[in-house]
Amino acid sequence: GNSVTQMEGPVTLSEEAFLTINCTYTATGYPSLFWYVQYPGEGLQLLLKATKADDKGSNKGFEATYRKETTSFHLEKGSVQVSDSAVYFCALSRVTRGSYIPTFGRGTSLIVHP
Amino acid sequence: EAEVAQSPRYKITEKSQAVAFWCDPISGHATLYWYRQILGQGPELLVQFQDESVVDDSQLPKDRFSAERLKGVDSTLKIQPAELGDSAMYLCASSLARAGAYNEQFFGPGTRLTVL
Repeated sequence: GNSVTQMEGPVTLSEEAFLTINCTYTATGYPSLFWYVQYPGEGLQLLLKATKADDKGSNKGFEATYRKETTSFHLEKGSVQVSDSAVYFCALSRVTRGSYIPTFGRGTSLIVHP
Repeated sequence: EAEVAQSPRYKITEKSQAVAFWCDPISGHATLYWYRQILGQGPELLVQFQDESVVDDSQLPKDRFSAERLKGVDSTLKIQPAELGDSAMYLCASSLARAGAYNEQFFGPGTRLTVL
């Protein structure tokens, strides 16, 4: 079946440090890939997406590149801020019977210290 | 700004009782999702609707869970009877696109269920 594997957290960084959160996937066909973020006390919201191989999604200084050869979609940011502290979920969406069916990873908690 | 509404926000019940959750998606959104999120894990899709029809309910425990979206707008998820293992956050999400198109999901705040 389809699955998403994320690195375990929490990831703890100092402000302005470089961030990488690893995500790999298993899926049939050509899924679309997403990163969602959940800030404390809030619902999940889409951070960025990529719909085909070699696409790069970007938003708010975060980036991720769809790598089909390594089945990966790692999240990166060059300089994190305290306000980036949240839980990050990698997800894929595959077409089944004409509709996109989503699968989420377990989430990675990011804690950024001043 | 349009949001997905869910109620109640918190629910405490005893095992073997029935519980129901309600979700009102963003107006005009054709697709509606119900997820269960156990603490420390990612959301697990329970059921996905396209308008009033079920697209996927392969992970829904149908012996105790039921979901409906009768008019293709708001939706209700029911558990009867509730078990201790059902304690979790129940999330609703909606998306604009119809079948065959990419859909960004918009999530509601969730209902936290505690079964005693």
